[in-house]
Amino acid sequence: RKEVEQDPGPFNVPEGATVAFNCTYSNSASQSFFWYRQDCRKEPKLLMSVYSSGNEDGRFTAQLNRASQYISLLIRDSKLSDSATYLCVVSVYTGGFKTIFGAGTRLFVKA
Amino acid sequence: DAGVIQSPRHEVTEMGQEVTLRCKPISGHNSLFWYRQTMMRGLELLIYFNNNVPIDDSGMPEDRFSAKMPNASFSTLKIQPSEPRDSAVYFCASSEPGRTSSYEQYFGPGTRLTVT
Repeated sequence: RKEVEQDPGPFNVPEGATVAFNCTYSNSASQSFFWYRQDCRKEPKLLMSVYSSGNEDGRFTAQLNRASQYISLLIRDSKLSDSATYLCVVSVYTGGFKTIFGAGTRLFVKA
Repeated sequence: DAGVIQSPRHEVTEMGQEVTLRCKPISGHNSLFWYRQTMMRGLELLIYFNNNVPIDDSGMPEDRFSAKMPNASFSTLKIQPSEPRDSAVYFCASSEPGRTSSYEQYFGPGTRLTVT
């Protein structure tokens, strides 16, 4: 079983749609959680951190359920510019913070 | 700030040759990470350093791979000898050191390695 698993995708949605990404992690000692975004042939960049209380940044909402070891990302009113790969990331302390990336879910938003 | 700097951006080499990838982290960032990304395996953490000290190298695929961080502003990832299956994009990332939680990692543009 992979340490971080995501929906395989790709997701193809029209502009304005709401899309949800799911992610599960296997290590219950995981301490920090993130969503990164990666555009084609570019480096990953932080989209948002994920907190137990849930957090929102404009059209993006992230949720964490530690009991279920589950993370989600919701994008509302999707834009063409949201087309990218979304990576779920988990950090575990091993003398420093070891980060594990999920395989990513590709999103295509079409006009 | 210039961000994380990696060189070279592209490298094409023949099987058996030594390859050295270089990284300059963001000034003041004490954690440095090396990743490899392929279509088949996604983004894999190879090794990471805190304050120039390797903390976890369990992701290094085999003895052909080695990484060093001689000072806070420079790190290298070396492959010797290189093999075609090492072809991938290699990313370096840096972050501020976390005490109780992990912080955002800033990635360099990557080195696209092709081994023929």
